[in-house]
Amino acid sequence: EIVLTQSPGTLSLSPGERATLSCRASQSVDSRFLAWYQQKPGQAPRLLIYAESSRATGVPDRFSGSGSWTDFTLTISRLQPEDCAVYYCQQYGTSPFTFGPGTKVDIK
Amino acid sequence: QVQLVESGGGVVQPGSSLRISCVGSGFSFRSYAFHWVRQAPGKGLEWVAVISSGGNDEYYADAVEGRFSVSRDNSKNTLYLQMSSLSPEDTAVYSCARGMSSVIPDALEIWGQGTLVIVS
Repeated sequence: EIVLTQSPGTLSLSPGERATLSCRASQSVDSRFLAWYQQKPGQAPRLLIYAESSRATGVPDRFSGSGSWTDFTLTISRLQPEDCAVYYCQQYGTSPFTFGPGTKVDIK
Repeated sequence: QVQLVESGGGVVQPGSSLRISCVGSGFSFRSYAFHWVRQAPGKGLEWVAVISSGGNDEYYADAVEGRFSVSRDNSKNTLYLQMSSLSPEDTAVYSCARGMSSVIPDALEIWGQGTLVIVS
């Protein structure tokens, strides 16, 4: 099983700042099969990024994904108050299709 | 609109079985692979299972392999998760999610709100 580790656990930033979220895999992941999701309290997860760097429909361009092999990054270029949420990475190339534990983003 | 609605959750005793369902609408149900994902109270997302668009391929998380079975009825636009030998560790909100395409290795694009299963 591919284990995903996310850091930091919590990120507290001010509006307009840049957020950098890390996702590290225990073994190499084909970048075609790496996704990021956003989950706000009481809501279902929302797909943000798939295939490592492709934005899902309707996702603002301040969200971007990058990385390869075992290290992947979600960047939120200019934080907005509505970006307060937990962000999960997922690899879906090798079953079981595991999720990371999540990074909570707080807006100061 | 595109929608997934789960049902069938509830409170069950350890060792028992339960089947939950997910009905899709607003899209061609038979054209997509579907996943089950669960989230224990206050915890993160845990992938559970996936079934291909035609129902002939299935994969499971290690924690549920041999106890859970995913199936679908494309004529009814319905996805199922049959759960057996339930334990308190299976307590979670169970959500269905639609893949982006018919193939299994794909991101989870559309999510339902989930149905709560409590094993106690």
